[in-house]
Amino acid sequence: EVQLVESGGGLIQPGGSLTLSCAASGFSVSSNYMSWVRQAPGKGLEWVSIIYSGDSTYYADSVKGRFTISRDTSKNTLYLQVNNLRGDDTALYYCARENIDFNAMDVWGQGTTVTVSS
Amino acid sequence: SYELTQPPSLSVSPGQTATITCSGNKLGDKFACWYQQKPGQSPVLVIYQDYKRPSGIPERFSGSNSGNTATLTISGTQATDEADYYCQAWDGSTARVFGGGTKLTVL
Repeated sequence: EVQLVESGGGLIQPGGSLTLSCAASGFSVSSNYMSWVRQAPGKGLEWVSIIYSGDSTYYADSVKGRFTISRDTSKNTLYLQVNNLRGDDTALYYCARENIDFNAMDVWGQGTTVTVSS
Repeated sequence: SYELTQPPSLSVSPGQTATITCSGNKLGDKFACWYQQKPGQSPVLVIYQDYKRPSGIPERFSGSNSGNTATLTISGTQATDEADYYCQAWDGSTARVFGGGTKLTVL
């Protein structure tokens, strides 16, 4: 079964750091484009970052310089290192597979919640 | 930065046709896709590459994209279609962009 399971969220103080994980099953994260998308409480979807199968990485302007996307092929897991967190980073963070043939995100995890508060 | 604009809400009666628009500069030159998100659930892809349906998505969902507007059409809308709908496209470089979302109410 094709599945994504996120973990690593929590309550963190402003300026703090976290590493979010996204474990994949049923397909390889290294052979696919993988994205992080977040959703603030009661708000819409916001694309955060993507890593291509060739290891190129891209970020939304709102997180550039603070977030780092990566993956571990041996663990078939995607990561998002989030640093210098701010209140407006509070959100449910989803990982998603971008199907290259579809030009769209066809597999989504259930999300992990990051709450930035003192 | 590239922006996609959707109406915040839309109401339709059961059995009627729901038409949700997504506007962006020269959007018709890009591939647009649509996601459905029900309360408390993760988004689900319902249309990709402007008009194609993933396996398992009912035929009543259709899409088009031309000029500056992409459109998601739900024919014979059912109560189970009540959800938030988001359009998404690339910005022409590497960033992905979502529209603000449209809350579809079926009443």
